[in-house]
Amino acid sequence: QTVVTQEPSLTVSPGGTVTLTCASSTGAVTSGYYPNWFQQKPGQAPRALIYNTSNKHSWTPARFSGSLLGGKAALTLSGVQPEDEAEYYCLLYYGGAQSYVFGTGTKVTVL
Amino acid sequence: EVQVVESGGGLVKPGGSLRLSCAASGITFSNVWMSWVRQAPGKGLEWVGRIKTKTDGGTTDYAAPVRGRFTISRDDSKNTLYLQMDSLKTEDTAVYYCTSQHSTWGQGTLVTVSS
Repeated sequence: QTVVTQEPSLTVSPGGTVTLTCASSTGAVTSGYYPNWFQQKPGQAPRALIYNTSNKHSWTPARFSGSLLGGKAALTLSGVQPEDEAEYYCLLYYGGAQSYVFGTGTKVTVL
Repeated sequence: EVQVVESGGGLVKPGGSLRLSCAASGITFSNVWMSWVRQAPGKGLEWVGRIKTKTDGGTTDYAAPVRGRFTISRDDSKNTLYLQMDSLKTEDTAVYYCTSQHSTWGQGTLVTVSS
């Protein structure tokens, strides 16, 4: 059973920077896992932010960026705004099994 | 504007069946891979399965918990995605989301499996 692990919660001050990570139980995350990142606010559907490690959708604010960091996928929020308070999920693709696995989610609090 | 709208959720008894639909607009539906994702109450997101385009073989892949019980299909002439759910279990209770290539998401439809 593959597990994708994220930090359970992170707190950041308005205007600050925070980095969320996404680790795979199978080993280092590479671009071949095509990492995606999503934001979900209470009572709402998820919203896509990043695809294929670092590509932004047309609606993704510039303060969100994706990368690979130390064998993990990473999502960095720079110049955090109060409206960024939400749950964030990563999604990894496992080609051998032809399946995807979501991360456990990170609750970001802006305080 | 790309939009996907799910329908068909409801209350079903354990062991029962249900079919969800997802109507897409604003995209060339036949050109996109489509997926289903679910979220149990108070829990995280869980990938359910995916169907490729007919050009790419039209094949389907499923998460282990639903493999053999759930079937994803598509009707490109109707721009509609389906999720046939059989042998439902209480642990299948969740909001089911349809998504086009994991970029555009619907608002979801609630499936409750309970006696």
